[in-house]
Amino acid sequence: EIVMTQSPATLSVSPGERATLSCRASQSVSSNLAWYKQKPGQAPRLLIYGASTRATDIPARFSGSGSGTEFTLTISSLQSEDFAVYYCQQYNNWPPWTFGQGTRVEIK
Amino acid sequence: EVQLVESGGGLVKPGGSLRLSCAASGFTFSGYSMNWVRQALGKGLEWVSSISRTGSNTYYADPVKGRFTISRDNAKDSLYLQMNSLRAEDTAIYYCAARSCTNGLCPFDYWGQGALVTVSS
Repeated sequence: EIVMTQSPATLSVSPGERATLSCRASQSVSSNLAWYKQKPGQAPRLLIYGASTRATDIPARFSGSGSGTEFTLTISSLQSEDFAVYYCQQYNNWPPWTFGQGTRVEIK
Repeated sequence: EVQLVESGGGLVKPGGSLRLSCAASGFTFSGYSMNWVRQALGKGLEWVSSISRTGSNTYYADPVKGRFTISRDNAKDSLYLQMNSLRAEDTAIYYCAARSCTNGLCPFDYWGQGALVTVSS
């Protein structure tokens, strides 16, 4: 089973600033990596797939990079609606499809 | 508009059973592999089970193997999860989620709003 590790657990950022979230896989997942956003009381929503491709209707301030075992999600200028929990997920080696433990982005 | 609507959640005693349903609309249900993902309150996401487009292939996470059964009815655009021998650690919100590819190499495109399952005496 591939273990996904996200860092940091919590990121405190001021509105308008850049946020950088990291995700590491215990073995290579190629570019088969997705990022999801989850707000309190809501279902997760797909943001990025293929490590760097934005899903439908996702704003350009969200960008993903990386391949193999190291991945990054960058939010270039945080808006109020971006404060949420973000999860990475690998879909290269399955089952199981595995998620990271999440990074909470909070208002500084 | 794509919609996935879960139902069937509730309170059940340890050792009991529950059947979750997920009604799909707004997309070609039979063209998507379907999944159940759960989230204990305040915790992260955990994949539970998947079923192929035709239902011929099913997959389970180790913690639920032998206790849960996933199935689908493409004529009714519906997904199911039969949960038996429930344990306290199965308490979670259960989401159904859809994947568009057939080879597993794709993310979970669409998610429902979830159904809460509480296992407690």
